[in-house]
Amino acid sequence: DGGITQSPKYLFRKEGQNVTLSCEQNLNHDAMYWYRQDPGQGLRLIYYSQIVNDFQKGDIAEGYSVSREKKESFPLTVTSAQKNPTAFYLCASSPGDRANEKLFFGSGTQLSVL
Amino acid sequence: AQSVAQPEDQVNVAEGNPLTVKCTYSVSGNPYLFWYVQYPNRGLQFLLKYITGDNLVKGSYGFEAEFNKSQTSFHLKKPSALVSDSALYFCAVRDRQAGTALIFGKGTTLSVSS
Repeated sequence: DGGITQSPKYLFRKEGQNVTLSCEQNLNHDAMYWYRQDPGQGLRLIYYSQIVNDFQKGDIAEGYSVSREKKESFPLTVTSAQKNPTAFYLCASSPGDRANEKLFFGSGTQLSVL
Repeated sequence: AQSVAQPEDQVNVAEGNPLTVKCTYSVSGNPYLFWYVQYPNRGLQFLLKYITGDNLVKGSYGFEAEFNKSQTSFHLKKPSALVSDSALYFCAVRDRQAGTALIFGKGTTLSVSS
């Protein structure tokens, strides 16, 4: 997991509450990604950013928002519009946006609804 | 559109026996293909990737994968399984066109018995 820090490890959300998951990397990577992992469904892409101040929606962006104000940081906000937020969230980065680059993953955040 | 399929939810093998975890893909052009491994409550770790050239790719921990263009497959193999290989394995595909994100399969749980 080296170089990518996700916090907190566990997070609980109350009904109607927005929560923010942190992702920080010290690898000097340009591209960053957020994936959601549900049992039996694999990883699904939420948002990705190829450069500072720019990001694109993935397959399941509804109910989520992101920002990319700094190269090293890519926080994910799970809004109250996301009706089924319980999942394991994984942040990743890669040196650039070349398609042959491997991703480096953080250790993940488990989000649960109270 | 690009997609990847892992037809087996679980693969069971005895220690010392060869193992195969299957993966097939669909992309509009030529693919980059990856295998990642996930241990419980952790992020994903890169195992190997196919970019171009030799169809047999060797990766970490004694794993290898064979790219078969006619069958659109990229099966993961290991000649002799270890109990410590037990984990969740993900195949992933990315179109060679930059700007597209990595798409993951649903994952296959490998269980190696002693």
